[in-house]
Amino acid sequence: KNQVEQSPQSLIILEGKNCTLQCNYTVSPFSNLRWYKQDTGRGPVSLTIMTFSENTKSNGRYTATLDADTKQSSLHITASQLSDSASYICVVTLPQQAGTALIFGKGTTLSVSS
Amino acid sequence: NAGVTQTPKFRVLKTGQSMTLLCAQDMNHEYMYWYRQDPGMGLRLIHYSVGEGTTAKGEVPDGYNVSRLKKQNFLLGLESAAPSQTSVYFCASSYISLKTYEQYFGPGTRLTVT
Repeated sequence: KNQVEQSPQSLIILEGKNCTLQCNYTVSPFSNLRWYKQDTGRGPVSLTIMTFSENTKSNGRYTATLDADTKQSSLHITASQLSDSASYICVVTLPQQAGTALIFGKGTTLSVSS
Repeated sequence: NAGVTQTPKFRVLKTGQSMTLLCAQDMNHEYMYWYRQDPGMGLRLIHYSVGEGTTAKGEVPDGYNVSRLKKQNFLLGLESAAPSQTSVYFCASSYISLKTYEQYFGPGTRLTVT
């Protein structure tokens, strides 16, 4: 069964610190892996999209890595800010083009405190 | 350029009542989607559309109907609301293929069924 598991479920860090969120998936083959940020009360917003052949992708202070051999991805946040408090969702895209191609993880809730 | 908009933002229904959620996008996207998001669960696909006049079932379609009469609009209907349909509903849109294209989400509709 195609699954996307994220850890930890929640995380609290101090402002200015770095953190890493994990995503393990059993989907194979896949087209790409995405990380979304979802602020409280808002819709998800895309941070990065990586194809299966890419190892890393950055978006400002956010860096995503992908290890297709171990079926793991991580999202590293550098020098965290209060505005990074949000839910981070890992999504794997199946090769089919139809609307059912996305497999969503349950997300990691990050709280950044001052 | 408003992106993806949803109306209403909040709604409270009584069991058995009906309602329609409206999603509109101004990006000329072919694909549109309706998801529900519940605490502790990932986003789950309800229905989707690959173009004007087309609809298809997703992972959790029971109790919902959809229509895509115009390319820019995607309507989600609840004919007889049940407490189990209490959730946050997100609409999204994308270009033809999710293999490389971004998926854009609306701000969500919080629905409570009493």
